Amino acid sequence: QKEVEQDPGPLSVPEGAIVSLNCTYSNSAFQYFMWYRQYSRKGPELLMYTYSSGNKEDGRFTAQVDKSSKYISLFIRDSQPSDSATYLCAMSGRTSYDKVIFGPGTSLSVIP
Amino acid sequence: NAGVMQNPRHLVRRRGQEARLRCSPMKGHSHVYWYRQLPEEGLKFMVYLQKENIIDESGMPKERFSAEFPKEGPSILRIQQVVRGDSAAYFCASSPRTGADTEAFFGQGTRLTVV
Repeated sequence: QKEVEQDPGPLSVPEGAIVSLNCTYSNSAFQYFMWYRQYSRKGPELLMYTYSSGNKEDGRFTAQVDKSSKYISLFIRDSQPSDSATYLCAMSGRTSYDKVIFGPGTSLSVIP
Repeated sequence: NAGVMQNPRHLVRRRGQEARLRCSPMKGHSHVYWYRQLPEEGLKFMVYLQKENIIDESGMPKERFSAEFPKEGPSILRIQQVVRGDSAAYFCASSPRTGADTEAFFGQGTRLTVV
């Protein structure tokens, strides 16, 4: 079993839709959870990070962490064509210096 | 404050040659991470370095690959005697010394093509 699993997609939605992206993981030591967005042929950029379980909202983006189920989600409201990218979930251990483990990424296309 | 700078952006090497990839972290960041991304795959951790020290190299192949982060200058990922399977995008990330958060900022990557 991989440490972090993520549906690779591709996921295609109409503009304005609510998008749900998800990851599962197996290592209960993970404490920090992140979502990165990567445009084609660019480096990943950090969208959101959360510590332990709970929700975090930033504009159109909401990140949820359920440690009991080892399941994290990213919701995008009112999706825009500019949201079209690959979304990578990532997580690390108890300290901020533990290596960050990435999921394989979900490719999202938002159709105008 | 400039972001993480990687160069070159594109590198073409013939089989058997050496590839040197450079990463200058953000100002004030003393932690550097190298990742490899193969087509249609996620980022795979290779090595984590602090100034002059390798902290975790568990993701780095035992042969042909080495990394350093000297006291002065950029971090270098060196691949000796490259093979076609080394063709990938190599990303560097840096993070600050403090433990207040875990944000790692990525560079734009170096795309290595072995011909």
